[in-house]
Amino acid sequence: AQSVTQPDIHITVSEGASLELRCNYSYGATPYLFWYVQSPGQGLQLLLKYFSGDTLVQGIKGFEAEFKRSQSSFNLRKPSVHWSDAAEYFCAAGGNKLVFGAGTILRVKS
Amino acid sequence: DAGVTQSPTHLIKTRGQQVTLRCSPKSGHDTVSWYQQALGQGPQFIFQYYEEEERQRGNFPDRFSGHQFPNYSSELNVNALLLGDSALYLCASSLDRIGGDTQYFGPGTRLTVL
Repeated sequence: AQSVTQPDIHITVSEGASLELRCNYSYGATPYLFWYVQSPGQGLQLLLKYFSGDTLVQGIKGFEAEFKRSQSSFNLRKPSVHWSDAAEYFCAAGGNKLVFGAGTILRVKS
Repeated sequence: DAGVTQSPTHLIKTRGQQVTLRCSPKSGHDTVSWYQQALGQGPQFIFQYYEEEERQRGNFPDRFSGHQFPNYSSELNVNALLLGDSALYLCASSLDRIGGDTQYFGPGTRLTVL
């Protein structure tokens, strides 16, 4: 069955520190991969996507993600976290139907 | 350029009632997908509409039905509401492409079933 795993339910980082959120997928073939961010009570905002080609993709708000086929991973990174990055982050895989992970809640401490 | 819009924002219903949620896709998009997000969970795919027909469906009972209109807007209907139907319902729109395309989400409708 298709699935997306985000191993970390909560992550706390200090403002200015680097961030890496983990995502692993299980799929029949390499799916399209996405990272979305959700603020409390809000919809999902697209951060970045991977369809094919360069395995390091750049997104909005200074985020990037690296696709590693051998590890079935698509981890999200940011070199310096800002307090406004505090939110819940979802990794998703698929085409017409998206399969989402359970999300990682990011807390930023000053 | 308006993004995906949904109405209403919040809704409170009682068990056994029926509800209709509405979605207008992003300008230029022709495909609408619906997701249910229970508290503390990731969104779960309900179904997708293209050319006014249900193209793909997730693991949801027949109480969940939908419709797409010629202007690409869509409705989600839920009959015989259960307490477990309380959730944030998200609509996403995209362009029809082989294999899929990026889905852009609306702000959601928060449904509470009492």
